[in-house]
Amino acid sequence: QQQVKQSPQSLIVQKGGISIINCAYENTAFDYFPWYQQFPGKGPALLIAIRPDVSEKKEGRFTISFNKSAKQFSLHIMDSQPGDSATYFCAASDGRRGSARQLTFGSGTQLTVLP
Amino acid sequence: DSGVTQTPKHLITATGQRVTLRCSPRSGDLSVYWYQQSLDQGLQFLIQYYNGEERAKGNILERFSAQQFPDLHSELNLSSLELGDSALYFCASSVDQGGEQFFGPGTRLTVL
Repeated sequence: QQQVKQSPQSLIVQKGGISIINCAYENTAFDYFPWYQQFPGKGPALLIAIRPDVSEKKEGRFTISFNKSAKQFSLHIMDSQPGDSATYFCAASDGRRGSARQLTFGSGTQLTVLP
Repeated sequence: DSGVTQTPKHLITATGQRVTLRCSPRSGDLSVYWYQQSLDQGLQFLIQYYNGEERAKGNILERFSAQQFPDLHSELNLSSLELGDSALYFCASSVDQGGEQFFGPGTRLTVL
């Protein structure tokens, strides 16, 4: 019940296209959903995060869509650029603010944006 | 640069040995988390400390232990190392127990 399932495992997109990565979860206690971007040899970097009280959050070219009833959330990268080529991880955690939070990560999506 | 520092960057050791990985959180962050990243298990939460006290425990082996010191830096101790312990070990920090987590660059451990 703690799993977060992420798809696809890999994604190839042309420059300027839209990249879409999906995640699904089972644990209804999850209430915080961040996305991380990881380049080779680097640590994961927080990209954008959402809480279930909103259905969408946009920051620049990155948008999270959240469907609470379906227990799914997705990352959309608009106008994808070669510099976006990286591995993307969705994650989830439960607990009220102030409580200990451990992130449960998806398996990752390797995104390649072709020039 | 997240502001979280980890040392060493690389560590090569033999089976049965013991190693210590070190993490310094971002300035002002009280909470430290340890994660393990391997090809077969992905990114997995190990343990969390907040202001010196253990707050949450994940899939951490009994051979592994951690602590957070009064200056808020943390150490992860791995003992009786096995080949399967070879992985990237990340430290993350957050302002409080439930805040956004910022990851360090990691320590790559290779057990031969």
